[in-house]
Amino acid sequence: DTAVSQTPKYLVTQMGNDKSIKCEQNLGHDTMYWYKQDSKKFLKIMFSYNNKELIINETVPNRFSPKSPDKAHLNLHINSLELGDSAVYFCASSTFGLAGEQYFGPGTRLTVT
Amino acid sequence: QKEVEQDPGPLSVPEGAIVSLNCTYSNSAFQYFMWYRQYSRKGPELLMYTYSSGNKEDGRFTAQVDKSSKYISLFIRDSQPSDSATYLCAMSAGNSGGSNYKLTFGKGTLLTVNP
Repeated sequence: DTAVSQTPKYLVTQMGNDKSIKCEQNLGHDTMYWYKQDSKKFLKIMFSYNNKELIINETVPNRFSPKSPDKAHLNLHINSLELGDSAVYFCASSTFGLAGEQYFGPGTRLTVT
Repeated sequence: QKEVEQDPGPLSVPEGAIVSLNCTYSNSAFQYFMWYRQYSRKGPELLMYTYSSGNKEDGRFTAQVDKSSKYISLFIRDSQPSDSATYLCAMSAGNSGGSNYKLTFGKGTLLTVNP
């Protein structure tokens, strides 16, 4: 019954590694998002996809690459991880015309050592 | 000046109190105003969603928007310990089409309701 799911829930890795986070939604939404929440709880949009097309791309290092194989999935791949990438990453989804009503996943807590 | 300002608190109140949470903003293009609630170690969940100025009530929660003052509020009546969470305000300039509708969040206010 999970609406927006993310895997893994926790990720601990070393600097320089490459890692991926997966997101899936079963709400029938056509728009998905990645957010980063830092240690001070500030939630900031990174990317948004509508029907597999990138529509929001904030100022994010190009080490971060989102991929949307279909409108129910949005994955995030991070190359050459840095200490500053440690944060909680949230996936969210919505209907395109109702961008304010976003449904968030449980988050992936990434720790880079 | 940050686009959205929100006092991070923490705010601690006794059970049954009326809670007032606020955000100010600088971008006059914002038209859609949301309040999200985030429990510890969980994802945010939408609590209230309003368009333009005015009030909206849902049970114990009331959202107010004053666009002339660029000020939004969330009131919680008869607060309960289960209301203890971080409350995030969010805003957008549009609802569809391009980056206009991206949500800009406040930093969140941590609320604790003591039994």
